Amino acid sequence: GNSVTQMEGPVTLSEEAFLTINCTYTATGYPSLFWYVQYPGEGLQLLLKATKADDKGSNKGFEATYRKETTSFHLEKGSVQVSDSAVYFCAPDSTSGTYKYIFGTGTRLKVLA
Amino acid sequence: ETGVTQSPTHLIKTRGQQVTLRCSSQSGHNTVSWYQQALGQGPQFIFQYYREEENGRGNFPPRFSGLQFPNYSSELNVNALELDDSALYLCASSPRQGTGELFFGEGSRLTVL
Repeated sequence: GNSVTQMEGPVTLSEEAFLTINCTYTATGYPSLFWYVQYPGEGLQLLLKATKADDKGSNKGFEATYRKETTSFHLEKGSVQVSDSAVYFCAPDSTSGTYKYIFGTGTRLKVLA
Repeated sequence: ETGVTQSPTHLIKTRGQQVTLRCSSQSGHNTVSWYQQALGQGPQFIFQYYREEENGRGNFPPRFSGLQFPNYSSELNVNALELDDSALYLCASSPRQGTGELFFGEGSRLTVL
């Protein structure tokens, strides 16, 4: 079945540092790919998405590119802020358009001032 | 526009008991999905409901069951509770034809003693 492997955390960075969180997946077909974020005490919310190969999703300074050849969707941000401290989840849709996501284990990011 | 709301937010049960969790979907969303998130893990897909019928199920035993009502709200029922059922239960709604984004509630935290 489909699966996703996400970089283990926690990741601790200083403010303005560069962030990469790795995510690779296995899937039959071509799933849509998502990054969700869970801020402390809040529910999950969509950060960005990409629906086909070479698409780049972006939001709030975060970016991720759908790499079909490496089955990856790594999350990057050039300069993190303290307010980015949260848990980040990579999630392919099991079959594009079905809303049945397979979530990674999550990567906790802590940004220090 | 009202978002996804879940109740109760916290509850404690003992092993062998039964529990019902409730979810009101976001206005206009006719598909509801339930996820289980154990501490420190990513959400695991339990099942999805569309037009009051189960539309896909993850790797969960039959003692996990659900309902969807004509107003698209939903219930998750768990019978014969086990200690490992302790988790955050997340409800997410989506329109049938949409962008692929799931809209999550803040969850119901269940503790089984």
